Amino acid sequence: KAGVTQTPRYLIKTRGQQVTLSCSPISGHRSVSWYQQTPGQGLQFLFEYFSETQRNKGNFPGRFSGRQFSNSRSEMNVSTLELGDSALYLCASRERGSGEQYFGPGTRLTVT
Amino acid sequence: AQKVTQAQTEISVVEKEDVTLDCVYETRDTTYYLFWYKQPPSGELVFLIRRNSFDEQNEISGRYSWNFQKSTSSFNFTITASQVVDSAVYFCALSERGNNDMRFGAGTRLTVKP
Repeated sequence: KAGVTQTPRYLIKTRGQQVTLSCSPISGHRSVSWYQQTPGQGLQFLFEYFSETQRNKGNFPGRFSGRQFSNSRSEMNVSTLELGDSALYLCASRERGSGEQYFGPGTRLTVT
Repeated sequence: AQKVTQAQTEISVVEKEDVTLDCVYETRDTTYYLFWYKQPPSGELVFLIRRNSFDEQNEISGRYSWNFQKSTSSFNFTITASQVVDSAVYFCALSERGNNDMRFGAGTRLTVKP
């Protein structure tokens, strides 16, 4: 099976802009989670989607949002970008009932 | 609240040495899952192992072994006869039952020198 794919891999945006990141889970996986990784805060959970519904959300401002489509692909959106949003954004997928999450290569976002 | 502590920020060893990465966790739940992930320079998190709270059996997979002790809330990871390719950041993580987010430790950067 193909692994989790994320696009784009690298992105440079300007403060105030918005950005959309995409994640395609492993075939058959219906759960998709998003994480932010920064040198200062480490790996932090953003949210999880299952069957197009957000099931859990981390402690991030409302500028961070996401959605999941019927084919389980997920998108994450960050509006009004701030310098502190510069990070590696990782997506993970898992089968329902399994705790094992498989991660994609990430999207490295740089906000200037 | 769930919390994962990896006290070792960086470890440097010479090839063929054994190395143990420590992980201590906190949780109020009686059912939970513990994980180890490896993050090479490429950035992708590679799944290594999952343990549930009811299974305290130690696990060995090749040069890797894991020691889970509920009494001390620890889930330590040992690499035997380390190799340069083991150089990476290793993360320990915890997921509580009914809570689908994973709480990661700060990670331990392992450098294996030839």
